[in-house]
Amino acid sequence: DAKTTQPTSMDCAEGRAANLPCNHSTISGNEYVYWYRQIHSQGPQYIIHGLKNNETNEMASLIITEDRKSSTLILPHATLRDTAVYYCIVRGNPNTGNQFYFGTGTSLTVIP
Amino acid sequence: SAVISQKPSRDICQRGTSLTIQCQVDSQVTMMFWYRQQPGQSLTLIATANQGSEATYESGFVIDKFPISRPNLTFSTLTVSNMSPEDSSIYLCSAQNFLAFFGQGTRLTVV
Repeated sequence: DAKTTQPTSMDCAEGRAANLPCNHSTISGNEYVYWYRQIHSQGPQYIIHGLKNNETNEMASLIITEDRKSSTLILPHATLRDTAVYYCIVRGNPNTGNQFYFGTGTSLTVIP
Repeated sequence: SAVISQKPSRDICQRGTSLTIQCQVDSQVTMMFWYRQQPGQSLTLIATANQGSEATYESGFVIDKFPISRPNLTFSTLTVSNMSPEDSSIYLCSAQNFLAFFGQGTRLTVV
């Protein structure tokens, strides 16, 4: 079952940073936070993941609070192609067969 | 990474019939899964496809309705049986290790 809470929708101006919040107050010590996005009519696409530390890759940054009860995905310079549904997922140790359960996600619209 | 191919990409089927969806992964993966995405909704996990044994179904999904096979580490099938219009959805195959990889899905319309 999904263990995360996200706003239903958000808007962001093109070229500005998009900050997508996620609450995961029941996260346990060995669970990771993953972010995926789904562009219309496509399969979900991996963005980034983290355990405790903040993470950055070529797509985005992930900021995890010290108590790990929430996180924020940052798209530093949003483009129209970033319009998608963004899913925050909490998942346990993959070596023990834990699955990815999707919540409702945040529908991000990047506005020209 | 893993590249996942699903066939068919879409189909329109008559109620009462069955459709088998195929999923091929380009590399050996430990875990494969099937998801359903109803119109305007998020992804719902149907089952874990276990190699050489019966699939493990999530609550609300049963083998008689969604039989799944996984004969080897790179291939799986999902059958949607005795279809009704309520089965109209996108069905997605996923291969997972530390990350999850998804196919483009099969868009099923039941008329």
